[in-house]
Amino acid sequence: NAGVMQNPRHLVRRRGQEARLRCSPMKGHSHVYWYRQLPEEGLKFMVYLQKENIIDESGMPKERFSAEFPKEGPSILRIQQVVRGDSAAYFCASSPTRGLTETQYFGPGTRLLVL
Amino acid sequence: AQKVTQAQTEISVVEKEDVTLDCVYETRDTTYYLFWYKQPPSGELVFLIRRNSFDEQNEISGRYSWNFQKSTSSFNFTITASQVVDSAVYFCALDAGNMLTFGGGTRLMVKP
Repeated sequence: NAGVMQNPRHLVRRRGQEARLRCSPMKGHSHVYWYRQLPEEGLKFMVYLQKENIIDESGMPKERFSAEFPKEGPSILRIQQVVRGDSAAYFCASSPTRGLTETQYFGPGTRLLVL
Repeated sequence: AQKVTQAQTEISVVEKEDVTLDCVYETRDTTYYLFWYKQPPSGELVFLIRRNSFDEQNEISGRYSWNFQKSTSSFNFTITASQVVDSAVYFCALDAGNMLTFGGGTRLMVKP
């Protein structure tokens, strides 16, 4: 059973470009969470999605960032017009349902570097 | 609001020493879960343990043990007889809703 998959693992963008990060949850998991880890810091929650729905985006910056989890295909975190401060590791996690009894399993992360 | 504090930003020990990583949390919820994750130099996050707020029994798994004390809102993690492979950043996290709230992490360096 494959774990959570994220691609690309490393992404380099110049300021002003767009970054698209993909997350395929574990098989049977329909809940996806995105977290951001700035250098030398802990992970910070960004957004929680179920298939075709955004449940909680309280941690998402108001501008330039968006997320989706379509009926078919991976979840996408999109960052428009990237700036140097967006350089970070972006982790995706998934769970089969949502409840306090569920553990979120993390993917390997995408390291975004903005030049 | 939830908050997790890992006061030790960096710990350095010599192999075979025991080491305890501290975690203190804040929440108004009565039902919640606490976690520890390991982030080795390769960067992925490895799940270590989950503990619910109603279970204060200590847990031992090999060289790892966890001490949950609700009275002091602490969930400390001890590695016995540390090994070089234990070198990593360790994160404590709290789940009381839709998201995990992470502490800032403790970087553990185990020297041979």
